[in-house]
Amino acid sequence: DVKVTQSSRYLVKRTGEKVFLECVQDMDHENMFWYRQDPGLGLRLIYFSYDVKMKEKGDIPEGYSVSREKKERFSLILESASTNQTSMYLCASIGTSGIQETQYFGPGTRLLVL
Amino acid sequence: AQKITQTQPGMFVQEKEAVTLDCTYDTSDQSYGLFWYKQPSSGEMIFLIYQGSYDEQNATEGRYSLNFQKARKSANLVISASQLGDSAMYFCAMRLLMYSGGGADGLTFGKGTHLIIQP
Repeated sequence: DVKVTQSSRYLVKRTGEKVFLECVQDMDHENMFWYRQDPGLGLRLIYFSYDVKMKEKGDIPEGYSVSREKKERFSLILESASTNQTSMYLCASIGTSGIQETQYFGPGTRLLVL
Repeated sequence: AQKITQTQPGMFVQEKEAVTLDCTYDTSDQSYGLFWYKQPSSGEMIFLIYQGSYDEQNATEGRYSLNFQKARKSANLVISASQLGDSAMYFCAMRLLMYSGGGADGLTFGKGTHLIIQP
């Protein structure tokens, strides 16, 4: 089974702190993604990466950065956390089997910024 | 830009009945994939079913089937014989596909439908 893991299920941080959210997948997938999910807004793409050291901005990259030093690991960084970054963060990777594409999600990190 | 519309914010269904969750999409591209995910209250996103835009047959996975009507740009999810454990949020999503060069970007999601199965 494909497994996408995230370093924390719940996280509480203070405004201004630097926050690292880690995501690891074990299927050698090239494409990885970070989303945030908010009530009424659905899931929105923050950043994605096609390969090691490659990154692309999604729809809402402001206030975030990412790091992909190894293929299996994609980190989301909040340089200076703010209360409006309180959200559910979901990491995902994409695999393809023949013509079928599947995007696998991690369990999510619920971040509260005080 | 792609857009996904799920017009049913919530649905109540009796156990064992079939359920149809609506999804329409908008894109000018010809090559795309359509996905359905289930999100229970625990928060994880569970992949249910995938339909490629060039697939001629409707996708099926166990009790889930996708009613794909390309001309209408609709991709409704059908759950047969609903169970109490089917109560969850359901999201329709799409992604443009570029088989020659990898993906163009991530998934575009609808706002979701909250399905509640009643005993």
